[in-house]
Amino acid sequence: GESVGLHLPTLSVQEGDNSIINCAYSNSASDYFIWYKQESGKGPQFIIDIRSNMDKRQGQRVTVLLNKTVKHLSLQIAATQPGDSAVYFCAEKGMDSSYKLIFGSGTRLLVRP
Amino acid sequence: DGGITQSPKYLFRKEGQNVTLSCEQNLNHDAMYWYRQDPGQGLRLIYYSQIVNDFQKGDIAEGYSVSREKKESFPLTVTSAQKNPTAFYLCASATSSGGNEQFFGPGTRLTVL
Repeated sequence: GESVGLHLPTLSVQEGDNSIINCAYSNSASDYFIWYKQESGKGPQFIIDIRSNMDKRQGQRVTVLLNKTVKHLSLQIAATQPGDSAVYFCAEKGMDSSYKLIFGSGTRLLVRP
Repeated sequence: DGGITQSPKYLFRKEGQNVTLSCEQNLNHDAMYWYRQDPGQGLRLIYYSQIVNDFQKGDIAEGYSVSREKKESFPLTVTSAQKNPTAFYLCASATSSGGNEQFFGPGTRLTVL
């Protein structure tokens, strides 16, 4: 069945360093992927998305890379700041409905001062 | 301000009581969703609705019910049949044309005593 998972449950980085959060997906037919950031006790916030016809997309301090060959998605955060500390989820658009997203279990990013 | 709201932020109920969680959006979105999140876990889909007066079960619908009488409102009732209702509940909405991003509310933390 469809599934989206993350390799590392917790990532600790030094402030100012770059962070890379990884995600594996199993449905090669998925055509849309999205990264969310969730701070403690709050709802997830959109960070960046990417369609399957792209390999890379950049936002402000964030880059998403999509490797369809190995079904791997990554989120890169440049110059990580304390405010980046949160749980990050990748999500995949489900194929049985145009509007359902399938979420991974999340990676907690801890930024050390 | 356009957005999606959930109320209340914290809710306490006695075991065996039904409880209804509110979700309202003024984004003119057709699709709305309810997710459940347990500590350290990802989001699991309870119910979703793509249009007024229509809704579908998600992955964990047992013990929950919803209604969609108005476009802007999608209340979730947690019934006494739900075996383990204590969780963080998140509501989301999305457009039905083109966009895939779901916008999340701030969440309601339900504790059943």
